[in-house]
Amino acid sequence: DTEVTQTPKHLVMGMTNKKSLKCEQHMGHRAMYWYKQKAKKPPELMFVYSYEKLSINESVPSRFSPECPNSSLLNLHLHALQPEDSALYLCASSPDRDSYNSPLHFGNGTRLTVT
Amino acid sequence: GESVGLHLPTLSVQEGDNSIINCAYSNSASDYFIWYKQESGKGPQFIIDIRSNMDKRQGQRVTVLLNKTVKHLSLQIAATQPGDSAVYFCAESPGGSARQLTFGSGTQLTVLP
Repeated sequence: DTEVTQTPKHLVMGMTNKKSLKCEQHMGHRAMYWYKQKAKKPPELMFVYSYEKLSINESVPSRFSPECPNSSLLNLHLHALQPEDSALYLCASSPDRDSYNSPLHFGNGTRLTVT
Repeated sequence: GESVGLHLPTLSVQEGDNSIINCAYSNSASDYFIWYKQESGKGPQFIIDIRSNMDKRQGQRVTVLLNKTVKHLSLQIAATQPGDSAVYFCAESPGGSARQLTFGSGTQLTVLP
């Protein structure tokens, strides 16, 4: 079992809906990440939080809004998504943003379908 | 531009045989490499990593080889089992930083009975 927990596992939403993805880790890691993964493709970095502050935004559209309420939680708020946003959204964590020689720990993702 | 890629998109092996999955990288600044396994419906799972000051590292049934001269990374799986069927991604990091991790395109490993 992964030490990074993501909910929900599956989400279907319409283009006018507002929904949120949640991620939680209790490993004491201070960096958390959102990745997007399309079918048969590698994960693509979206956001990095370091010590609860947004550190990296990889030019992600504003319809995706991350939030880090505390060091253990990471949310991704979704609004006015497009069908092409359908993907697996992965959360990951590491001891800190600049952890050297330390792998990212991934959750099992939320499978998002936008109708 | 710099990229991490795999030689083969798919690989099929007989159960019990050894598997070798290859990965080429072009960023000479990369000094930390990771192999992830991703099963259907799950997130990437860490398998093994290696730093650039090493040529080889072994884990349980897995070995990673790093050839810095030709910028090549490989993952060897001994006595491949049905549970090894998955997509395998190599990832590399310039400077070894977690936030700079770049993933390769992935190889689908299928274990045949």
